[in-house]
Amino acid sequence: GAVVSQHPSWVICKSGTSVKIECRSLDFQATTMFWYRQFPKQSLMLMATSNEGSKATYEQGVEKDKFLINHASLTLSTLTVTSAHPEDSSFYICSAREVGREFYNSPLHFGNGTRLTVT
Amino acid sequence: GIQVEQSPPDLILQEGANSTLRCNFSDSVNNLQWFHQNPWGQLINLFYIPSGTKQNGRLSATTVATERYSLLYISSSQTTDSGVYFCAVILTGGGNKLTFGTGTQLKVEL
Repeated sequence: GAVVSQHPSWVICKSGTSVKIECRSLDFQATTMFWYRQFPKQSLMLMATSNEGSKATYEQGVEKDKFLINHASLTLSTLTVTSAHPEDSSFYICSAREVGREFYNSPLHFGNGTRLTVT
Repeated sequence: GIQVEQSPPDLILQEGANSTLRCNFSDSVNNLQWFHQNPWGQLINLFYIPSGTKQNGRLSATTVATERYSLLYISSSQTTDSGVYFCAVILTGGGNKLTFGTGTQLKVEL
């Protein structure tokens, strides 16, 4: 159980275009989803917290107008990288917490990630 | 700020060897997880272990919350164990954000 599906698994786009990444919880509902970014040889850094039905909360230094997050349902959150540039090339991973589970007594479930290359 | 340090940063083992990976964190925690990131980037959830000891096959983990560290033991290592191992924590008073450690890059050779 607790499967998180992320799509696409990889994408190549041209500089200036936008890319949408989907994160779905398949067998549970998630009021909260998290988006992480990982550059080569580095750890995962939290970008934003996505809450169903409300605005996302962005970490310091993350441009909210560039990384648009929508969490329209209890099973789907999307991250759109707008006007992508080569420096946005990275590995993006989403995670989800099951409805009714508290952060202090339950694990986060992660998707398989999306490798974005901007040319 | 929140600090989650892992050691060693890099480790090379011969197949069959045992190893211990360490995760130190700067404050008390509500949540701690160990992950294995394989060469394709997938994060495999190994343990949810904010305290105590757990075992799963060749892997086991111990978290001593009062002393602010956690250990991951790998016994009889195999080449498929290669990859990066991360611990991640939610610090008490740190909201609900899972903060990742610096990681340990493990390579198991024949």
